[in-house]
Amino acid sequence: DTGVSQDPRHKITKRGQNVTFRCDPISEHNRLYWYRQTLGQGPEFLTYFQNEAQLEKSRLLSDRFSAERPKGSFSTLEIQRTEQGDSAMYLCASSFPDKTNYGYTFGSGTRLTVV
Amino acid sequence: AQRVTQPEKLLSVFKGAPVELKCNYSYSGSPELFWYVQYSRQRLQLLLRHISRESIKGFTADLNKGETSFHLKKPFAQEEDSAMYYCALSSYNFNKFYFGSGTKLNVKP
Repeated sequence: DTGVSQDPRHKITKRGQNVTFRCDPISEHNRLYWYRQTLGQGPEFLTYFQNEAQLEKSRLLSDRFSAERPKGSFSTLEIQRTEQGDSAMYLCASSFPDKTNYGYTFGSGTRLTVV
Repeated sequence: AQRVTQPEKLLSVFKGAPVELKCNYSYSGSPELFWYVQYSRQRLQLLLRHISRESIKGFTADLNKGETSFHLKKPFAQEEDSAMYYCALSSYNFNKFYFGSGTKLNVKP
């Protein structure tokens, strides 16, 4: 296990199409997070899972966005009816249950471009 | 409201010069503050956290609750320090981080 993996690394899609991203966290990490980063900004929180339970969602996560973590392992983030404003880097991170104060381990991200 | 402000988008210094990357925050509770770094073509990674009072790669940061600041400092910058630096504030239960917009540090030879 070499860290948090995200797939795909890049995605170009036409406006109105649906896209799905995958995140594989570090295996012993039970917390998983999704963030979005636009150009010139820091990452913004989208949602957070503890095991399979989605415990918090940002207002940024509109009804076109859905995230799942069905077995408490990998997670998917789906964006329906993509808009140009969805173009961003989508970052996944995970953390160890009793050491969240040690910060996250981030993946390399999925860069989404909506044309 | 929780907010992290990094007033400088770009900071250029010469090798060997001191560096200070500024970070100010607003938070209604007791803050937990971190610095993350992103080197070119690498993923975002934790640099240091205030609760451990550590020094990583020669960097230190002191939490000043009176000035609500958590500036990152290094006495002698190295070229390999060139990167994007993000200050981040954690919620009390570490469920989420609030990131600043980042400061790009460019260390010139």
